[in-house]
Amino acid sequence: DQQVKQNSPSLSVQEGRISILNCDYTNSMFDYFLWYKKYPAEGPTFLISISSIKDKNEDGRFTVFLNKSAKHLSLHIVPSQPGDSAVYFCAASGGSSNTGKLIFGQGTTLQVKP
Amino acid sequence: DGGITQSPKYLFRKEGQNVTLSCEQNLNHDAMYWYRQDPGQGLRLIYYSQIVNDFQKGDIAEGYSVSREKKESFPLTVTSAQKNPTAFYLCASSRTASNTEAFFGQGTRLTVV
Repeated sequence: DQQVKQNSPSLSVQEGRISILNCDYTNSMFDYFLWYKKYPAEGPTFLISISSIKDKNEDGRFTVFLNKSAKHLSLHIVPSQPGDSAVYFCAASGGSSNTGKLIFGQGTTLQVKP
Repeated sequence: DGGITQSPKYLFRKEGQNVTLSCEQNLNHDAMYWYRQDPGQGLRLIYYSQIVNDFQKGDIAEGYSVSREKKESFPLTVTSAQKNPTAFYLCASSRTASNTEAFFGQGTRLTVV
């Protein structure tokens, strides 16, 4: 049972435009959400996070939106740059066990064309 | 420099052999994790440890073993019982075991030959 889903395996965007990456989750107990960026053969690097008490968090070109009623979050990158081309993973944690372990989605490969 | 170090970066193993992947962190983090990445499947949790001398099975623990004798070290052994060991293995740590971002190492690519 996939608790965190990224239904778009890939996304292609023109440089300077907005990139929107989506993520859905099923467990209503999740209370902390993160986005990671990953290049091939490297470990993921943390991008931005959001707590369930917020509906928006912004850091420079990156903004994460959380819609708890829809169990949906999205990452907006504006403006997109060629260096943003990578695989993006959303992750969630929380719940009764609250072990801090992250549940990851399958990832979305973003390609930003010059 | 603080960080997480995984070694080796590439590892080849013959079928039927056990192999141990190293993970060391100098971030003074309490929690450590092992994930496995396969194409199209994201990252799946193998084992995690919230504190020294304690660890828990993740979603795909069969065929793996870990130890946490020191705070900074969390080695993963891939045993011969693991049916499909060829994968990219990622170690991570977080400051505490609750709602903090995890920092990842550079990964180890294990190939069974």
